[in-house]
Amino acid sequence: EADIYQTPRYLVIGTGKKITLECSQTMGHDKMYWYQQDPGMELHLIHYSYGVNSTEKGDLSSESTVSRIRTEHFPLTLESARPSHTSQYLCASSALDGDEQYFGPGTRLTVT
Amino acid sequence: AQSVTQLGSHVSVSEGALVLLRCNYSSSVPPYLFWYVQYPNQGLQLLLKYTSAATLVKGINGFEAEFKKSETSFHLTKPSAHMSDAAEYFCAAAVSGGSYIPTFGRGTSLIVHP
Repeated sequence: EADIYQTPRYLVIGTGKKITLECSQTMGHDKMYWYQQDPGMELHLIHYSYGVNSTEKGDLSSESTVSRIRTEHFPLTLESARPSHTSQYLCASSALDGDEQYFGPGTRLTVT
Repeated sequence: AQSVTQLGSHVSVSEGALVLLRCNYSSSVPPYLFWYVQYPNQGLQLLLKYTSAATLVKGINGFEAEFKKSETSFHLTKPSAHMSDAAEYFCAAAVSGGSYIPTFGRGTSLIVHP
């Protein structure tokens, strides 16, 4: 069973708040990813990392930032949440190029 | 840029019937291909993957998929549907030109009727 964790699982916050979504994995994977998932849509890549101190933006500009100070930890921060950020956020990791990804259970975010 | 197309946002079958979920990719080189399943309030989990070793790939829970280069397809099948198969299924493709970051389809919701 994949050991990748996300907290919180559910979050309701007001507009303008700063929030951090946590993601941790215990598999020692170098590659980690953040996706935004909306019903009936493909997963949109927000950010990814190839290892410590490596972060890249994906194809979806979500006004968020990430950091990768430790291999196991890849938090996502929204500096000022907006209703358009309401979505499910999925974190994933993989070991090598072409390998399958292991996904966390997701954080469902609602911004009021 | 590569793309992944899943035909049919919803597929409905009776319990015991054949399951067929369609996936087509656009890539000039054979990609790595994946099928994932997502149950409500959970993340995605791998069903099976194609990495060029064999065109017919067997996965978990009785699912299998066949890679057809001429049709750029990777359709998912299961001979006999079970109620527990009801879930969202995603097809994904990864190629070296895209840094091996997977591109996902929009998903197909499988509905199983008793």
